[in-house]
Amino acid sequence: DQQVKQNSPSLSVQEGRISILNCDYTNSMFDYFLWYKKYPAEGPTFLISISSIKDKNEDGRFTVFLNKSAKHLSLHIVPSQPGDSAVYFCAARHTGANNLFFGTGTRLTVIP
Amino acid sequence: DTAVSQTPKYLVTQMGNDKSIKCEQNLGHDTMYWYKQDSKKFLKIMFSYNNKELIINETVPNRFSPKSPDKAHLNLHINSLELGDSAVYFCASSQGVGGETQYFGPGTRLLVL
Repeated sequence: DQQVKQNSPSLSVQEGRISILNCDYTNSMFDYFLWYKKYPAEGPTFLISISSIKDKNEDGRFTVFLNKSAKHLSLHIVPSQPGDSAVYFCAARHTGANNLFFGTGTRLTVIP
Repeated sequence: DTAVSQTPKYLVTQMGNDKSIKCEQNLGHDTMYWYKQDSKKFLKIMFSYNNKELIINETVPNRFSPKSPDKAHLNLHINSLELGDSAVYFCASSQGVGGETQYFGPGTRLLVL
């Protein structure tokens, strides 16, 4: 039973344009959401997070939006750079459980 | 000065063997985890330890036994390896139970033949 879903396995974007990665979840108890970035042969690296009390969090080129009513979050990368090419995992956590629930990832390719 | 390290990085072995994967973190965290990434790229929690105490034990065959000799180490021992155990295993750590940000090791790619 997958509680966090990333329905787009891949995304290609031109350098300089916006990349939008989407994530849906089913568990309304989730109160903290994270995005991880993963390069081949490496472990996931934390990128940005958002608490359920917010609907937006921004860090440089990266912005995460949370729509609780739709149980949906998205990661915006502007402008996209070739070095952003990686697999992006959405993850969620709820109070009382200290493990993360991951989506299956979206492979982003930024074309120079 | 790797934050979370795992050894070995690659492990190829025969069915029925017993193997161990080691994990060490030098971040001073008190919580460590093992995740399994299967062929569908799905990352799923297996175990979590806080201050050497087991706090999460998901539905994992008892052939998998984690051992935490101290807060900085969480090793994974697997008995009687099966073909379906082939996967990438990631170790992670965080500060505190419920620590929002988990830091991952590079993964151990296990192939059971």
